[in-house]
Amino acid sequence: NAGVTQTPKFQVLKTGQSMTLQCAQDMNHEYMSWYRQDPGMGLRLIHYSVGAGITDQGEVPNGYNVSRSTTEDFPLRLLSAAPSQTSVYFCASSLGLAGGRTGELFFGEGSRLTVL
Amino acid sequence: QKEVEQDPGPLSVPEGAIVSLNCTYSNSAFQYFMWYRQYSRKGPELLMYTYSSGNKEDGRFTAQVDKSSKYISLFIRDSQPSDSATYLCAMCTGTASKLTFGTGTRLQVTL
Repeated sequence: NAGVTQTPKFQVLKTGQSMTLQCAQDMNHEYMSWYRQDPGMGLRLIHYSVGAGITDQGEVPNGYNVSRSTTEDFPLRLLSAAPSQTSVYFCASSLGLAGGRTGELFFGEGSRLTVL
Repeated sequence: QKEVEQDPGPLSVPEGAIVSLNCTYSNSAFQYFMWYRQYSRKGPELLMYTYSSGNKEDGRFTAQVDKSSKYISLFIRDSQPSDSATYLCAMCTGTASKLTFGTGTRLQVTL
């Protein structure tokens, strides 16, 4: 199984440009989420989804949009890139906590974004 | 003040040492506690999961949760160079996608 696949792995943008980070999972997980990881800040939740058609904001949602039209895909859109959005972005998916599950998050390999 | 506090390290220990990694938290609603391991330029992977206070052991790893003190620990026995990684504590109230992470502790195990 591929697990969680993120594209692109690396991207350089200029301030004001927009782009979409793609995330796809093949494990039929209901839960998906996007985190950003910055030095000294750890992983911070941007947006999450508990199923197709349902999304909600996390800790740092400003400047980002998401949608969930299918169970498999959860793209993250940067509307107008700013240098403060330079970060490593991780997509993750999970089966959830119901039925005694651990809620384990399965992460992609990350997308490294630099905004000049 | 962050909801979850974790010493970023780096922590350097010789091979075979016992390692203790810790996190404190402020949100008493956290019910599920996890430790993730992250190798350089990779995504985090789940290492340990606990739900209640007490100890949970898995091979060389022991996770400890003290809800009364809002304190969790991860112990690594007989540490190996392959244990060199960043260890992130994580916790949530009940929504699987909504984990709150510590900043991570970078561990280096030397020969």
